[in-house]
Amino acid sequence: EAQVTQNPRYLITVTGKKLTVTCSQNMNHEYMSWYRQDPGLGLRQIYYSMNVEVTDKGDVPEGYKVSRKEKRNFPLILESPSPNQTSLYFCASSTRTGSSNQPQHFGDGTRLSIL
Amino acid sequence: QKEVEQNSGPLSVPEGAIASLNCTYSDRGSQSFFWYRQYSGKSPELIMFIYSNGDKEDGRFTAQLNKASQYVSLLIRDSQPSDSATYLCAVSGGTYKYIFGTGTRLKVLA
Repeated sequence: EAQVTQNPRYLITVTGKKLTVTCSQNMNHEYMSWYRQDPGLGLRQIYYSMNVEVTDKGDVPEGYKVSRKEKRNFPLILESPSPNQTSLYFCASSTRTGSSNQPQHFGDGTRLSIL
Repeated sequence: QKEVEQNSGPLSVPEGAIASLNCTYSDRGSQSFFWYRQYSGKSPELIMFIYSNGDKEDGRFTAQLNKASQYVSLLIRDSQPSDSATYLCAVSGGTYKYIFGTGTRLKVLA
């Protein structure tokens, strides 16, 4: 089954304690992306990756890091989490056919609470 | 700043009616257009995608694209209470970047 898998689904942690949210896809997609979703603000892109070892900042990258060492994995790292990073996070992947971007497949989300 | 605009709603329609959701975008270079449905606390679920001007139908759903006017719409025929959700419009251009609107909340009244 084609899927994007995020872990953990829920996490409550404290300010300053480094954490990693993992994301893995089994569709051999080149493109992967992280979003955060907050009430009234919609989906905002944090970082994206167009392929292995190619990453770039989205609209709200401050306080986050990513890496893309393998095509299937795209972890999101919070080196020193703060309460304003409390949010619902989604990982997504997609590919391209010709010049047209295909729909993104989303993971089930990670609800993160930073106390 | 490239933007995608949606009316936040809520848009209320009676059961069985047609729901019409609209989205405008600012980047004339946009090539790919998507509609996602999202239930509260859940991940976005793809409903429709469209690349060319005109209409594209899939079951009860029709996506309409007008590149000259820079809008894309989603029609839901025979609306059901289970269609009550937030509908996200997403637009993508020549790069891999996808831009999302903030969504329209649809309420289908039984």
